[in-house]
Amino acid sequence: EIVLTQSPATLSLSPGERATFSCRASQSVGTYLGWYQQKPGRAPRLLIYDASNRATGIPARFSGSGSGTDFTLTISSLEPEDSAVYYCQQRHSWYEFGQGTNLEIK
Amino acid sequence: EVQLVESGGALVQPGGSLRLSCAASGFTFSDYIMDWVRQAPGKGLEWVSAISGSGDVINYADSVKGRFTLSRDNSKNTLYLEMHSLRAEDTAVYYCGKEVRYSGYYVTYWGQGTLVAVSS
Repeated sequence: EIVLTQSPATLSLSPGERATFSCRASQSVGTYLGWYQQKPGRAPRLLIYDASNRATGIPARFSGSGSGTDFTLTISSLEPEDSAVYYCQQRHSWYEFGQGTNLEIK
Repeated sequence: EVQLVESGGALVQPGGSLRLSCAASGFTFSDYIMDWVRQAPGKGLEWVSAISGSGDVINYADSVKGRFTLSRDNSKNTLYLEMHSLRAEDTAVYYCGKEVRYSGYYVTYWGQGTLVAVSS
């Protein structure tokens, strides 16, 4: 079983600032790592697949990087609507999700 | 347009049973692996089960193995999750999802979710 550990647990930033989310895997997952955004009461939405590729319709301010065990999701300039929980995910034997990072926009 | 509509969620007593359905449209259903992912109140996402497009390969999370049964009817474009011996810890919103393979596998479309509450 591969465990994904996300940090920080909570992020509180202002509009226009840069947000950086970390996801660390307990063993290498190559670049088979995705990021999802979930707003309250809504289903998750895929943002990034294969570590660095934006999913369809995702704004360019979202970017992903990393490989092996260390991955980063960056939002270059925060918008108020980016307030959400962000999860990383891998599918090695089967799906595992990180515990999530809660992004609050001040 | 891809649509996934879950139904069947309800309040059920511990030890009880329930069947969830997920009606799919807007894509060739039989071509895709389908998943169930759940989310307990105030908690994170937990993968539950997945089934191949033909239905011949099914996998379950350890937490539900032996109690839940996943199936699909490709003629009806519908996914089913039979849940038995339900426990309080099965209380969650259950989402069905359409999986896509890029290099890795990802759930690219999700339903709106259906709430299962297990309580006496």
